[in-house]
Amino acid sequence: GNSVTQMEGPVTLSEEAFLTINCTYTATGYPSLFWYVQYPGEGLQLLLKATKADDKGSNKGFEATYRKETTSFHLEKGSVQVSDSAVYFCALRKGTGRRALTFGSGTRLQVQP
Amino acid sequence: DTAVSQTPKYLVTQMGNDKSIKCEQNLGHDTMYWYKQDSKKFLKIMFSYNNKELIINETVPNRFSPKSPDKAHLNLHINSLELGDSAVYFCASSQDSGSGGPGELFFGEGSRLTVL
Repeated sequence: GNSVTQMEGPVTLSEEAFLTINCTYTATGYPSLFWYVQYPGEGLQLLLKATKADDKGSNKGFEATYRKETTSFHLEKGSVQVSDSAVYFCALRKGTGRRALTFGSGTRLQVQP
Repeated sequence: DTAVSQTPKYLVTQMGNDKSIKCEQNLGHDTMYWYKQDSKKFLKIMFSYNNKELIINETVPNRFSPKSPDKAHLNLHINSLELGDSAVYFCASSQDSGSGGPGELFFGEGSRLTVL
């Protein structure tokens, strides 16, 4: 079946540090890949997505590249801010058949001033 | 205008009661979902409807019953509530037909259910 594996958190960084949150997936075919963010007390918001191999999704300084050869979609940001503190979810969605999003377990990011 | 709205946002109730959570989307999407988020933030799909037809029905106790009166609404009814039902329930929607590929899901703000 489909699955997504994320690095365990929490990840604690100082402001302006470089961020990487690892994500790997298992799926048949060619899924679309997503990063969602959940700020404290809120619902999930789409952060970025990529729909095919070698696509790079980017938004708000965050980037992730769809790497089919390593089945990965790692999230990166060059300089984090306190306001980036949230839980980040990697997810995949297949194009056919059962098309619900399959989520990773989430990674909590804490950015300290 | 809220794209995916859920009510109530908070629900506190006693074990054994029956409760419902409602969800409405104004995006014109054809597919809606219910997800459960546990205390460790893990998100698990429960149900999905496409144009009022149930297409995903995960291993969920049959005390949980979804109902979709039309493609803009998906409600979740829970009978005989148990302590373990305490969680945040998220509604979501997506456009599947004619979308050219698996697009993103849009989520509501969640309904926090606490069973005492």
